[in-house]
Amino acid sequence: DAKTTQPPSMDCAEGRAANLPCNHSTISGNEYVYWYRQIHSQGPQYIIHGLKNNETNEMASLIITEDRKSSTLILPHATLRDTAVYYCIVRVLEYGNKLVFGAGTILRVKS
Amino acid sequence: AAGVIQSPRHLIKEKRETATLKCYPIPRHDTVYWYQQGPGQDPQFLISFYEKMQSDKGSIPDRFSAQQFSDYHSELNMSSLELGDSALYFCASSRSGYEQYFGPGTRLTVT
Repeated sequence: DAKTTQPPSMDCAEGRAANLPCNHSTISGNEYVYWYRQIHSQGPQYIIHGLKNNETNEMASLIITEDRKSSTLILPHATLRDTAVYYCIVRVLEYGNKLVFGAGTILRVKS
Repeated sequence: AAGVIQSPRHLIKEKRETATLKCYPIPRHDTVYWYQQGPGQDPQFLISFYEKMQSDKGSIPDRFSAQQFSDYHSELNMSSLELGDSALYFCASSRSGYEQYFGPGTRLTVT
């Protein structure tokens, strides 16, 4: 699985958009970009994933660059409850294939 | 919506004892994953099962074993417990290789 690089921490004002970057310059053509988050000691929570097109769901938007070497997770209106560790993970879509959690980004949403 | 169920939620054992953790996946999910998260660390993959067969294996100690049963629930058996086994243990489930949904975790304390 390709390695990802994320900033160790970011701050965001409540109500503003939070933009979390991720570099995955060695991503392979069949690897998807996944985002998860973990709120203190809770089970990691799936947010969104994509292959090459931009994706949006009720939680967030995922923007993947055309060369697929980086992506950005966007939380459009951050709330205090979005304070968490955010993990960017690249993964091949296969039965039973693991998630490899690296050092994610601690997002602190402040009022 | 139904979520992944893990039991027990908390477990205290002494060194050299055994422990069994149980995981009940989301209905119609056929794949189960186990992750270990030590204090201050990121989740680390242990093992996964697809359709009751082991599909991927991480850094799982030989003292640990796991299986998936005919009803798709899974059990993680841990023997000769060591202090270093104290951690949060998460189970996740997915339908085939798609996004994984995590349970609330079992907090194991070895004294």
